[in-house]
Amino acid sequence: DGGITQSPKYLFRKEGQNVTLSCEQNLNHDAMYWYRQDPGQGLRLIYYSQIVNDFQKGDIAEGYSVSREKKESFPLTVTSAQKNPTAFYLCAISEVLNEKLFFGSGTQLSVL
Amino acid sequence: GQQLNQSPQSMFIQEGEDVSMNCTSSSIFNTWLWYKQDPGEGPVLLIALYKAGELTSNGRLTAQFGITRKDSFLNISASIPSDVGIYFCAGLNRDDKIIFGKGTRLHILP
Repeated sequence: DGGITQSPKYLFRKEGQNVTLSCEQNLNHDAMYWYRQDPGQGLRLIYYSQIVNDFQKGDIAEGYSVSREKKESFPLTVTSAQKNPTAFYLCAISEVLNEKLFFGSGTQLSVL
Repeated sequence: GQQLNQSPQSMFIQEGEDVSMNCTSSSIFNTWLWYKQDPGEGPVLLIALYKAGELTSNGRLTAQFGITRKDSFLNISASIPSDVGIYFCAGLNRDDKIIFGKGTRLHILP
């Protein structure tokens, strides 16, 4: 969706390294989400945020961290504690929490 | 945890054929969403359904909110090559949590 920008499109992580994925939106939506997608699998929720300076763990939060310092930005950090980080990461937004979601174009994270 | 069973997992059809896929659960949902995902891209919302029995169309796509509130169906008429991709259903349950199915991968044979 044109109102959501994820970057970079491709990212490579070395052992023991933290990496940060960017998600920015210009639609003034309150809620933002991070999902992880593995091949042949559905989407699994990592973290979500309903308002600035507040966020909640999803189903698979271990090894990840987020921040929501501005309404338009919700970056995801994949920490060295995440032992299997290779996946396609999707950011999503909705006007209010758990209304219909609109997704960004994704970031493919791979391990070197 | 709560699951959505999406079927079929994959399907191979001839161009011009109609397509049907569905999503079922043992639990009740208040909203059903259907998405399409192209390779290497994010899912795009196709249709949103909010009431039991609701039938909604978007071009060649038609989706229905099952009368029991436990299932939803997506039909594509007269398929074309650009219909290829993965179709996901998602439901909003009574705890206001969104659950995703694992997707139906659509292939179109030349």
